[in-house]
Amino acid sequence: AQSVTQLDSHVSVSEGTPVLLRCNYSSSYSPSLFWYVQHPNKGLQLLLKYTSAATLVKGINGFEAEFKKSETSFHLTKPSAHMSDAAEYFCVVSDRAGGGADGLTFGKGTHLIIQP
Amino acid sequence: SQTIHQWPATLVQPVGSPLSLECTVEGTSNPNLYWYRQAAGRGLQLLFYSVGIGQISSEVPQNLSASRPQDRQFILSSKKLLLSDSGFYLCAWTPGLAGTGELFFGEGSRLTVL
Repeated sequence: AQSVTQLDSHVSVSEGTPVLLRCNYSSSYSPSLFWYVQHPNKGLQLLLKYTSAATLVKGINGFEAEFKKSETSFHLTKPSAHMSDAAEYFCVVSDRAGGGADGLTFGKGTHLIIQP
Repeated sequence: SQTIHQWPATLVQPVGSPLSLECTVEGTSNPNLYWYRQAAGRGLQLLFYSVGIGQISSEVPQNLSASRPQDRQFILSSKKLLLSDSGFYLCAWTPGLAGTGELFFGEGSRLTVL
């Protein structure tokens, strides 16, 4: 069985300051991990993914995440927040090879608020 | 390139009325197709997925149903809507083979049942 926990339901940062969105997972196998972003009333868009290659993963819009097996974490970071980063962020885990989405588990989401 | 279309974008329906949401994918063949629901303040719930025409798997018992009449068309239906069916419905697809787990989402359909 697998699970994912997003530790903060809301995160508020000032524009230009660093962003940290926390995600912990559990998985019986070597997992694949993803971060998705959702802007209001839109579909989800992939930010980045980890699939057992480099543990530091770079994504779009300046985001990156580090896979830490010993801590079972996959936290999302960005050095400097922009107003356009305000959105809902989802951490997702998959322990199924082949990538069928029926094997994905979504976190409950973290709402990122950017203060001007 | 591949695109996914979902409609209608917004609808308001009375309790007990029928529902039909449609989703089509272009630029790929044999995709896996998915319907998710996102209730207010909650994460995504997988409702149905399909690996081929006429093949539907249901993840959650409910008064909704899904059909896949063509390779790249996925329809979510209900004969009689409940208040609890309100939410944001998302269609998504993945490549049928050798996928990496990445989902490609449509823009969503917001359903309000009154």
